[in-house]
Amino acid sequence: GQNIDQPTEMTATEGAIVQINCTYQTSGFNGLFWYQQHAGEAPTFLSYNVLDGLEEKGRFSSFLSRSKGYSYLLLKELQMKDSASYLCAVGDSNYQLIWGAGTKLIIKP
Amino acid sequence: IAGITQAPTSQILAAGRRMTLRCTQDMRHNAMYWYRQDLGLGLRLIHYSNTAGTTGKGEVPDGYSVSRANTDDFPLTLASAVPSQTSVYFCASSESSGTGPLEQYFGPGTRLTVT
Repeated sequence: GQNIDQPTEMTATEGAIVQINCTYQTSGFNGLFWYQQHAGEAPTFLSYNVLDGLEEKGRFSSFLSRSKGYSYLLLKELQMKDSASYLCAVGDSNYQLIWGAGTKLIIKP
Repeated sequence: IAGITQAPTSQILAAGRRMTLRCTQDMRHNAMYWYRQDLGLGLRLIHYSNTAGTTGKGEVPDGYSVSRANTDDFPLTLASAVPSQTSVYFCASSESSGTGPLEQYFGPGTRLTVT
């Protein structure tokens, strides 16, 4: 079967760094996506990894290891507006996205 | 309009009634998708369309139908609503490359309650 695992909830402090992990088992691999979703809103695209390694985009970075079926999203200099759910999604052999349930990130002052 | 719009924003529907959720995009994207999102579960694909005139079934297609008469519109129909279809429905679109999935853009969602 296909499976995406990520922690249900994480708490971090404003100004700190947090790492959100995602492990996956899918039929084929065609890229890994991270999306941000604020409560009551639509998901918005954050990052895309198709090759192993780290992709950096401002305060956000995403890492991929295809051999380990593992990715993480790193958020630096946390701000209160980063309080949201973070969704991991993997492109399968049919080029459809398989989604994790999301990690709710709570930022405390 | 810019991006993807969905209508209605929310709806309370009696079980057994027919309902069409509307989705329109103005980005000229070939691919469009319908997802449902339930608490504790990831987004689940209901139906998709890779290009106008074609549709396909996703992970949870039962009880839903779609059509893609043109590039911009992708309506989702519940023929006879049941309480288990209570959910938040998101429409999304992406360019289609044929070489892999691309970034999907999401509409604001429709919150549907079936009583």
